[in-house]
Amino acid sequence: EAGVAQSPRYKIIEKRQSVAFWCNPISGHATLYWYQQILGQGPKLLIQFQNNGVVDDSQLPKDRFSAERLKGVDSTLKIQPAKLEDSAVYLCASSSWTSWGVQVGDEQYFGPGTRLTVT
Amino acid sequence: DAKTTQPPSMDCAEGRAANLPCNHSTISGNEYVYWYRQIHSQGPQYIIHGLKNNETNEMASLIITEDRKSSTLILPHATLRDTAVYYCIVNLQQGAQKLVFGQGTRLTINP
Repeated sequence: EAGVAQSPRYKIIEKRQSVAFWCNPISGHATLYWYQQILGQGPKLLIQFQNNGVVDDSQLPKDRFSAERLKGVDSTLKIQPAKLEDSAVYLCASSSWTSWGVQVGDEQYFGPGTRLTVT
Repeated sequence: DAKTTQPPSMDCAEGRAANLPCNHSTISGNEYVYWYRQIHSQGPQYIIHGLKNNETNEMASLIITEDRKSSTLILPHATLRDTAVYYCIVNLQQGAQKLVFGQGTRLTINP
């Protein structure tokens, strides 16, 4: 089965510019996650979607970050305007977990990530 | 905050068993222990999870102590491709599936 796809793989922008990342999850996975991984740290959850609804965005800096999953499949994460501290790898993951079902093997599958450098 | 404690780094010789410890002394009765690993420049990869019984799959074995306050991930015959950062995470399998990653253990397999 095809894995989680992300693009672009690398992006370099100047501070105060905007940037967008795209994610295509594994087919049929209801839940999609965006994580931020700063160098030397573990990934940190930014936002979790179930289909096209937000389950948790408590750690998303909403003054500059936004995300959407309009049709419940693909998702985009946007940063506007970017700051130096946003330099990180942005990981997308998907899983078959849903709030209404009892899931078996509901591990998360991660994409390769997008490495963002803000100069 | 992560609910687990892991050593920051470990070394293991190729072909030997790699035993990675994890402390989760505040784990609650309905929380599972998950292990993921992250090879350089890749996204994290699921390895195994368990509640209280020992578990084994094609990648690894998970040994959970009887009091569930600690566990050990065992890679029985480590290869160079097992060099990665290994994350131990406690999580409600039936919950919102939120993974809270700590710093993990950087495992280096030496030839």
